[in-house]
Amino acid sequence: EIVLTQSPGTLSLSPGERATLSCRASQSVSSSYLAWYQQKSGQAPRLLIYGASKRATGIPDRFSGRGSGTDFTLTISRLEPEDFAVYYCQQNGGSPWTFGQGTRVEIK
Amino acid sequence: QVQLVQSGPEVKKPGASVKVSCKASGYTFTTYGITWVRQAPGQGPEWMGWISAYNSDTNYAEKFQDRVTMTTDTSTSTAYMELKSLTSDDTAVYYCARAATISQTIWYHYGIDVWGHGTTVTVSS
Repeated sequence: EIVLTQSPGTLSLSPGERATLSCRASQSVSSSYLAWYQQKSGQAPRLLIYGASKRATGIPDRFSGRGSGTDFTLTISRLEPEDFAVYYCQQNGGSPWTFGQGTRVEIK
Repeated sequence: QVQLVQSGPEVKKPGASVKVSCKASGYTFTTYGITWVRQAPGQGPEWMGWISAYNSDTNYAEKFQDRVTMTTDTSTSTAYMELKSLTSDDTAVYYCARAATISQTIWYHYGIDVWGHGTTVTVSS
């Protein structure tokens, strides 16, 4: 099983600041199968990034993803009030598909 | 618009089974797969398995292999997930979601792009 470890667990930032979230895999993951999701309380996850770096439909360009192999990053260039939420990375390059434990981005 | 509409909340006793439905609309059901993900209170998402709506091939997480059955009804564009032998550890929100599309027998992955609203399953004596 591919374990995804996200860091930090919590990120305390102010609106307008830059957020950098990390996702490290226990073994190499093809970039094609690495995605990022945003989840707000009481809602289903929302796809932000797929293929490690491709924005999903309707996702603002302040969200960007990069990485390869075992190290992936999600960057939010300038935090908007609606961006404060929990973010998960996920892989489906190997079975079982797995999610990271999440990074909470909270208002400082 | 593309959407997945799930069945309503369920309350079950330990040892019982639950069957959750997920009706798709707004896209060609048979050209995508459906994945099921659950989320226990305060926890992250947990993948349960995937089914092809094209040919009903399945890929279950080993953890659920003996207890879960995923099916589809292409006549109604509906996917189902049945989980047996419930325990309190199965209390969670269960999501269906669209994942992977097939073109000329090749599956393409673009993330889990459309999610249902979730079905709360509570297991309690």
